[in-house]
Amino acid sequence: EVQLVESGGGLVQPGRSLRLSCTTSGFTFGDYAMSWVRLAPGKGLEWVGFVRTKSYGGTTEYAASVKDRFTISRDDSKSIAYLQMNGLKTEDTALYYCTLVLNIVGTSSSFFQHWGRGTLVTVSS
Amino acid sequence: EIVLTQSPATLSLSPGERATLSCRASQSVGNYLAWYQQKPGQGPRLLIYDASNRATGIPARFSGSGSGTDFTLTISSLEPEDFAVYYCQQRTNWMYTFGQGTKLEIK
Repeated sequence: EVQLVESGGGLVQPGRSLRLSCTTSGFTFGDYAMSWVRLAPGKGLEWVGFVRTKSYGGTTEYAASVKDRFTISRDDSKSIAYLQMNGLKTEDTALYYCTLVLNIVGTSSSFFQHWGRGTLVTVSS
Repeated sequence: EIVLTQSPATLSLSPGERATLSCRASQSVGNYLAWYQQKPGQGPRLLIYDASNRATGIPARFSGSGSGTDFTLTISSLEPEDFAVYYCQQRTNWMYTFGQGTKLEIK
């Protein structure tokens, strides 16, 4: 059974940093891109960014709202994905979900096949 | 950036009724559209990918249709556990966007 468990959320002041972890099991972690998606209070889902597999260079892509502040990384030896959040703003307050990305080879199809339960980040002074 | 617009924002129906949810894209996404269901306290669940393919374990009462810019998620006969928020999602040029969601509530 695929499991994704987020951790590391909490209350943090504006301008500070926080690192989230996504501990996974039940699949070959190194074979899949991993992504983070957030849900702010009263809002809809917002894609944050993703990290490709090592076979595709382990490179990353980010939403404009977090680019240059957030960094996604992966440790294939531990089957963990990370979200490093710097320069946090009040508008970053949200429930952060880790997701397994399924890219169908030979097509442009890409979607979030499995999700964790999320970890809450609150940015407030 | 491709914008996805879902309608209606809220849909009030009774168990046993048919639900029709719409997702419109600001430009063509081919058939590369997915639908998710989210219940309170849970992470979203993939229902449909590539517009019309049901994900593993999803009941047959859920179906998706459409291509280009107009897509529909249909629940043929609502069960009590289907009342939730539904989102559509697309990816273009390595950027993902979601619709704002449709809340399906019990009438």
